[in-house]
Amino acid sequence: GIQVEQSPPDLILQEGANSTLRCNFSDSVNNLQWFHQNPWGQLINLFYIPSGTKQNGRLSATTVATERYSLLYISSSQTTDSGVYFCAVLAGDYKLSFGAGTTVTVRA
Amino acid sequence: KAGVTQTPRYLIKTRGQQVTLSCSPISGHRSVSWYQQTPGQGLQFLFEYFSETQRNKGNFPGRFSGRQFSNSRSEMNVSTLELGDSALYLCASSLPGTGYEQYFGPGTRLTVT
Repeated sequence: GIQVEQSPPDLILQEGANSTLRCNFSDSVNNLQWFHQNPWGQLINLFYIPSGTKQNGRLSATTVATERYSLLYISSSQTTDSGVYFCAVLAGDYKLSFGAGTTVTVRA
Repeated sequence: KAGVTQTPRYLIKTRGQQVTLSCSPISGHRSVSWYQQTPGQGLQFLFEYFSETQRNKGNFPGRFSGRQFSNSRSEMNVSTLELGDSALYLCASSLPGTGYEQYFGPGTRLTVT
């Protein structure tokens, strides 16, 4: 099956800092999503981005499908950005394959 | 539009028992998927249903089963519970034709003692 690798595994930021999370995948995909898992466990949709670039407030994402990677940018980080960020891909078999996640801690 | 709902939210069961979890998708969504999240294995795919048909199944033992009803609501069942089945079970729904962008419910946290 498709392999999804996220880096770094852990990220500690000072409030106001910018950061980049990376997701590499091993094969062509039909769908790529970024999620933020809240403290209660729910996965919150950030981006649906099989290719190209999207922005939503302080967050933006870029997927370069031909090179099999995606980047999630967090700008001017806030303590509420803390949590685990997951990248997940779908390769035509109706299932999302998840990376192991990046745990982000933003300190005030 | 209401989001994906899952019931119950928390559950404590004893080894050997069975459990049924329920998921109601977003209105109009006909695809429902289930995932298991554990600290050791991360997020793993269980199965996906569309129009009451299972289209894909993950690498889980036969104790894990599911079904989808004509109104797209779905249930999953785990029989003969083991301690290792303790996990967060997440349900997601998607709308065909949208690249299967998936929306997740709040999850059911199952503890097996």
